[in-house]
Amino acid sequence: EAGVAQSPRYKIIEKRQSVAFWCNPISGHATLYWYQQILGQGPKLLIQFQNNGVVDDSQLPKDRFSAERLKGVDSTLKIQPAKLEDSAVYLCASSSLNRDRVRGSNEQFFGPGTRLTVL
Amino acid sequence: GNSVTQMEGPVTLSEEAFLTINCTYTATGYPSLFWYVQYPGEGLQLLLKATKADDKGSNKGFEATYRKETTSFHLEKGSVQVSDSAVYFCVLRQGAQKLVFGQGTRLTINP
Repeated sequence: EAGVAQSPRYKIIEKRQSVAFWCNPISGHATLYWYQQILGQGPKLLIQFQNNGVVDDSQLPKDRFSAERLKGVDSTLKIQPAKLEDSAVYLCASSSLNRDRVRGSNEQFFGPGTRLTVL
Repeated sequence: GNSVTQMEGPVTLSEEAFLTINCTYTATGYPSLFWYVQYPGEGLQLLLKATKADDKGSNKGFEATYRKETTSFHLEKGSVQVSDSAVYFCVLRQGAQKLVFGQGTRLTINP
C-alpha cells in the first residue's frame, strides 16, 4: 500500500512570495491533516479535512494560509505572502476514520513533509 | 489547554544501554497517549499507544505505561541499538482526533 505522498520535498522562497504544497493521502482515507513543524518543536495541526469539508482550521493563519481538498482526495496548502517565521516542515497526514467513527481507524499516517525555507 | 512536556534532548547513548525518555502531560479527562518516531529522512510513524490508565503500549522492544496518578507516559527500552537513532515524540489525543505533540527528543546511539 502506497503511503502519503507530498511534493515538493524542499522549497526555498523569499519573503512575500507565494508557495503551494501538494499532498496525496493513502487511497480511501477520508480524513486529511496539515501540520506545521517548526525546527525544535513538535508538529502543530493547521487544518483537518473530512472528505472535502473542513473539520478544524482553528490554528490556520487565515490571513495568509489557505487549503483546499476539492474532490475529497488530494489537497493543497498555500501561503501567500510568506513570512520569515513560516520556515518549517509542512506535514500531511491521513486516516481512514469517517465522521461517524464506525468505520476505519483513527491512526494517522504521515508523509515525508515539505521543508520550506523563507529568506 | 492540553499540553505535553518531554525530556529535553539531545540524548546520546552507547549501544545496549538502557533508555528512558520522560513525558508528562496536562489534559482534562482521559486522553489517549502515543509515542511517534521520526527516523532520518522518513515520515512520522506511530511507535506505540495506550488508551486508558495503566495500559502498557509496546512495540520493537519499546514500552510505555499510562500513569494517570503521575500524568506520565515515559518511554523505555532495555537495550538500544544504533538503528533506534531517531527523534521521538510524546503525543496525546483528546476529543476528535486532534493530536498534541511534545517538542521531540533526538536520540543518538553510538556503536
